[in-house]
Amino acid sequence: GAGVSQSPRYKVAKRGQDVALRCDPISGHVSLFWYQQALGQGPEFLTYFQNEAQLDKSGLPSDRFFAERPEGSVSTLKIQRTQQEDSAVYLCASSRGLAVANTGELFFGEGSRLTVL
Amino acid sequence: AQTVTQSQPEMSVQEAETVTLGCTYDTSESDYYLFWYKQPPSRQMILVIRQEAYKQQNATENRFSVNFQKAAKSFSLKISDSQLGDAAMYFCAYRILFKETSGSRLTFGEGTQLTVNP
Repeated sequence: GAGVSQSPRYKVAKRGQDVALRCDPISGHVSLFWYQQALGQGPEFLTYFQNEAQLDKSGLPSDRFFAERPEGSVSTLKIQRTQQEDSAVYLCASSRGLAVANTGELFFGEGSRLTVL
Repeated sequence: AQTVTQSQPEMSVQEAETVTLGCTYDTSESDYYLFWYKQPPSRQMILVIRQEAYKQQNATENRFSVNFQKAAKSFSLKISDSQLGDAAMYFCAYRILFKETSGSRLTFGEGTQLTVNP
């Protein structure tokens, strides 16, 4: 597609429910990132994929958070047993390459706003 | 650890005037990129301008320019001839050159909400 696509744009969950957020990156982009953005704050890194390999998950706040990218394209962020503190916008971003010469630009989706009641 | 600080949570400017948004960062790396992103209410982060740390010349993109002071670790954004469409949250961000395991994640500041008054 022309840009990074995320769905759903809005999700309301009851505390304790599981949710799944989808990211469809720009075609051919090797790198994929997930960020969490609390209201009025800057995005915080969650996890990074290089193709299908999850190379960095150091930002995931707890073991209730799980991300996958099984075929190196679409990625899903899953949150189990949601808590109120999980309420945030979840942003997905992708970038083209790996090389040092990579300009470093990330392309972002519009995010999925999760509200946990 | 790398940190990015934006000390001005909110700023306002009159239409057609100039405004400068401040940003400082802390890093031990020598090779990195700095960015300003704009986030309108639609939430999509839009790249405004990019600066490579090895370049001494300040980056410019139309009405947007930066003042990059590497020794001081300062990276401010100047918006000239402000327009109503410039109103948004602006984030300063830092990224080291690619590293295998981290993909060179972006580290963001807290943001500055810019209001443009007609």
